[in-house]
Amino acid sequence: GENVEQHPSTLSVQEGDSAVIKCTYSDSASNYFPWYKQELGKRPQLIIDIRSNVGEKKDQRIAVTLNKTAKHFSLHITETQPEDSAVYFCAATPNSGNTPLVFGKGTRLSVIA
Amino acid sequence: GAGVSQTPSNKVTEKGKYVELRCDPISGHTALYWYRQSLGQGPEFLIYFQGTGAADDSGLPNDRFFAVRPEGSVSTLKIQRTERGDSAVYLCASRSGPSHSPLHFGNGTRLTVT
Repeated sequence: GENVEQHPSTLSVQEGDSAVIKCTYSDSASNYFPWYKQELGKRPQLIIDIRSNVGEKKDQRIAVTLNKTAKHFSLHITETQPEDSAVYFCAATPNSGNTPLVFGKGTRLSVIA
Repeated sequence: GAGVSQTPSNKVTEKGKYVELRCDPISGHTALYWYRQSLGQGPEFLIYFQGTGAADDSGLPNDRFFAVRPEGSVSTLKIQRTERGDSAVYLCASRSGPSHSPLHFGNGTRLTVT
């Protein structure tokens, strides 16, 4: 089955700097890669996703890149703000029906004002 | 409309007891998932339903865990003979059905087994 590795486990950045979180996956059949943000005590919320037919997707200060050959994908947050502080999870799944997402272990991002 | 609703939000039980956790998905969502999240970890898949049937229960850790969705809407996760290692946040999620439509999570039930 799919295995998703996520790095780093913790990340601290100064407000205004960029943050990058990286994930690798094992199943070459995976072709859907969402990212979730989870604030303390709250539910995970989808912030961006990418499918394997594109290499990059951007939504304001957030972007995701995908390298299918190397089986890795990354989340980029630019101009970080204190409210970006949260735990971020990457996930992967094959494109077959509603196959469950497999999540990474998460990255705790702290943005220091 | 309303999001995914889970009850109770917190449950404390003694080792060996039976518990039921309820999930009310977004209306019309055909696919429903249960995940378990331990402290400092990502959500770990348990089981998912497509309609009334369990399409994949490969994540259930052992036969003490069981889930049902009799009418294709509300689901109940049942844990028998609870153990301290079952303590975690149990998350429910649903999606509308088309492949890769967004997965919407509930706030979870925090289960503590003493």
